[in-house]
Amino acid sequence: EVRLVASGGSLVQPGGSLTLSCAASGFDFSTYWMNWVRQAPGKGLEWVANIKRGGSEKYYVDSVKGRFTISRDDAKNSVYLQMNSLTVEDTAIYYCAGGGGWYSDYWGQGTQVTVSS
Amino acid sequence: EIVMTQSPDSLAVSLGERATINCTSSQSLFSTPKNKNFLAWYQHKLGQPPKPLIYAASTRESGVPDRFSGSGSGTDFTLTITSLQPEDVAVYYCQQFYSGPITFGQGTRLEIK
Repeated sequence: EVRLVASGGSLVQPGGSLTLSCAASGFDFSTYWMNWVRQAPGKGLEWVANIKRGGSEKYYVDSVKGRFTISRDDAKNSVYLQMNSLTVEDTAIYYCAGGGGWYSDYWGQGTQVTVSS
Repeated sequence: EIVMTQSPDSLAVSLGERATINCTSSQSLFSTPKNKNFLAWYQHKLGQPPKPLIYAASTRESGVPDRFSGSGSGTDFTLTITSLQPEDVAVYYCQQFYSGPITFGQGTRLEIK
């Protein structure tokens, strides 16, 4: 059974930092592109970042470039999202998702990030 | 950035009737070398992660009922749900993965009339 379990979401103050983790099982993680996708309250889905198998390529949506860093540890079947300089606009449910290419056929339950003073 | 536009924003359809959702991209999503469209459809229910329905514009994911179908090519795509069921109430998104950044349509809310 494929599982993607995201964790690390919490309440954080504006300007703060947070690291999200996503543990994968049930598929060959090391061969998959991994993504973070978020949904802000009352809004639609927004792709945030992805990372190629092996970690040699990483891409970000413009609004998080320079503030967020995606990484992976294939030995731990995990992908991470380091988030710095958080703003209220980063408040969202964050989902991790994976696929053989940029299309994500596996999705995990999200983790809630709330940025508020 | 490729902009994805869905229509309508919301839709109410009677049980057993057909629902049609359209998606237009600002650039062609068809790759000639790979002979496919880089377009997917997702179903998103409250409190759950998005569920992949269709990829390459018209290929159903394993386990997706055959009342769901995708069509179109280039810049114009359609998701059709024939014989709407109560469990189909959700928000539906198209997504392009032809070029970065990956982008989604704004979503179409499907309800029962």
